[in-house]
Amino acid sequence: GQSLEQPSEVTAVEGAIVQINCTYQTSGFYGLSWYQQHDGGAPTFLSYNALDGLEETGRFSSFLSRSDSYGYLLLQELQMKDSASYFCAVGRRDTGRRALTFGSGTRLQVQP
Amino acid sequence: GAVVSQHPSWVICKSGTSVKIECRSLDFQATTMFWYRQFPKQSLMLMATSNEGSKATYEQGVEKDKFLINHASLTLSTLTVTSAHPEDSSFYICSARVGRGRSYNEQFFGPGTRLTVL
Repeated sequence: GQSLEQPSEVTAVEGAIVQINCTYQTSGFYGLSWYQQHDGGAPTFLSYNALDGLEETGRFSSFLSRSDSYGYLLLQELQMKDSASYFCAVGRRDTGRRALTFGSGTRLQVQP
Repeated sequence: GAVVSQHPSWVICKSGTSVKIECRSLDFQATTMFWYRQFPKQSLMLMATSNEGSKATYEQGVEKDKFLINHASLTLSTLTVTSAHPEDSSFYICSARVGRGRSYNEQFFGPGTRLTVL
């Protein structure tokens, strides 16, 4: 099976940097993805790591260490609009890696 | 990026009735779509994989006779919640992958359908 663990909540102030960690257990690894979901909305794709290292996309970066089964999402220059839930996810082997198993989600609250 | 739509965005129904939710890929063809369910403040849980032209694959614990899935074309999958009960009240979201180009690893999600069963 697959399981992913994330902190349930994180609070930070505008302009700060926050890191959301994710540890996973999976038989067969097919990359770690990150999704953002605002209340009542659909998840939107943020990043994907298949190999070790850091991927940077604007204010968001994602890191992966396959040997540690660990990754994180780094959000810089936090803005109020970044308040949302963030999910890490891994591809499901039995669906050709296309369906996702999601972590429990981290609710980020950005304060003024 | 690719666009996935869902209809309706919300629905309220009486216990015992059936509700159909549509999921469409608007600018790409999707041989496979996925249906997830999300309870408040919880994660997304995969319910089933919808395959164009063949039977859906259901996750363990999901009743296939209760959650009917039809994937009749490359751009449309439907989820019908039959004989809905209050415990079926949830946020239902579909997704699909383009599977090529810059979006190869990205799942595109529909806006979701909030079902409330009275």
